[in-house]
Amino acid sequence: GAGVSQSPSNKVTEKGKDVELRCDPISGHTALYWYRQRLGQGLEFLIYFQGNSAPDKSGLPSDRFSAERTGESVSTLTIQRTQQEDSAVYLCASSDRVNYGYTFGSGTRLTVV
Amino acid sequence: QQQVKQSPQSLIVQKGGISIINCAYENTAFDYFPWYQQFPGKGPALLIAIRPDVSEKKEGRFTISFNKSAKQFSLHIMDSQPGDSATYFCAANQAGTALIFGKGTTLSVSS
Repeated sequence: GAGVSQSPSNKVTEKGKDVELRCDPISGHTALYWYRQRLGQGLEFLIYFQGNSAPDKSGLPSDRFSAERTGESVSTLTIQRTQQEDSAVYLCASSDRVNYGYTFGSGTRLTVV
Repeated sequence: QQQVKQSPQSLIVQKGGISIINCAYENTAFDYFPWYQQFPGKGPALLIAIRPDVSEKKEGRFTISFNKSAKQFSLHIMDSQPGDSATYFCAANQAGTALIFGKGTTLSVSS
């Protein structure tokens, strides 16, 4: 597609439930990134995929968080046993290796009640 | 070592004025310094970027000034307009790593 697509745009879940967030990057972009943005805060790096290399998971805040990417396409971010502090906007971005500029999706707003 | 410190947290500028946002970094291996603009309910969008081999880059009303020795870079918005009201993020990285973002500056341009 023309841009980075994220779904769902909004998700309300009960504490303790698992959630899956989806990201469709721009076709041909080899790099894909997940960030978390808490209300009024900056972007917190979570995980980075580059082609077929092992992902950089250094930003994942706990073992409840995991992410997968199928080849150079769709990625899913999974949060297990959600907690209230997981409430945030989860942003996905993609880039091609040469350009470095990231294109962000509009994010998934996750609310844990 | 990995932080990017951004200031001010918020900024109010009169229409037609100059908006200036500053960022500082520690990691001398960083070689790419972009600025992103974010409107409410949207993802950040790349505004302008610079690499350390130049001290200034201008695109329209937006200019990045880069001071390698001080490890600082700044965004200047000339002739600020109400439509520029948004949150601005600086960022930095080195090749092969993810961007590290500052905490953001909320700019309000009053008409």
